[in-house]
Amino acid sequence: QSVLTQPPSASGTPGQRVTISCSGTDSNLGSNTVNWYQQLPGTAPKLLINTNNQRPSGVPDRFSGSKSGTSASLAISGLQSDDESLYFCSTWDDLLNGPVFGTGTQVTVL
Amino acid sequence: QLQLRESGPGLVKPSETLSLTCSVSGDSISDFNYSWVWIRQSPGRGLEWLGHVYYGGSTHYNPSHKSRVTISTDTSKTEFSLKVKSVTAADTATYFCARRSVRLGAFDVWGQGTAVRVSS
Repeated sequence: QSVLTQPPSASGTPGQRVTISCSGTDSNLGSNTVNWYQQLPGTAPKLLINTNNQRPSGVPDRFSGSKSGTSASLAISGLQSDDESLYFCSTWDDLLNGPVFGTGTQVTVL
Repeated sequence: QLQLRESGPGLVKPSETLSLTCSVSGDSISDFNYSWVWIRQSPGRGLEWLGHVYYGGSTHYNPSHKSRVTISTDTSKTEFSLKVKSVTAADTATYFCARRSVRLGAFDVWGQGTAVRVSS
């Protein structure tokens, strides 16, 4: 029931830059800020980026976020093996009057 | 430091009620700055918001599940709970409790999740 669309996978070699997209509609991304979460296997999601481009304390500046219109993106620069994880976006949906999530993107470090 | 921990049965029979509790330690849930949320995750449906409970006990549910879901807090304000009635196999998922920051508009603290399987 994921409302936001993400590519299922992305990959890169160590040191490369990887970008993940998140596509929504006017009622969600078009009207609200986006958050990004990282979920390592078997663990709870961790807030990675909030309010489009803000990093919570402790999140490396290799992670950056942006949003334009009904789309958002997460960039990981200087890719590291520890970055191999599932990433998903989330925002508020005005029609649902609740939060919605992306389909998730698995990042693989080659 | 705030920690959330889900607890409850890992196996529920079809048509019965799924009941989970989220224990909150390191802070009170009596805070207007946050809401307390249940989210579930399954391979087929991804992440799905079930509902919120706010300080004072008011609730807000995903319309898709509103008729079956109840979220409440206890009087000591150190835990909140989820009930899903008349479960089916489609309710098999990992269930997470989380805190949503009003200021950030984001889920800033999550429990570790608890797997629930619906099967006879």
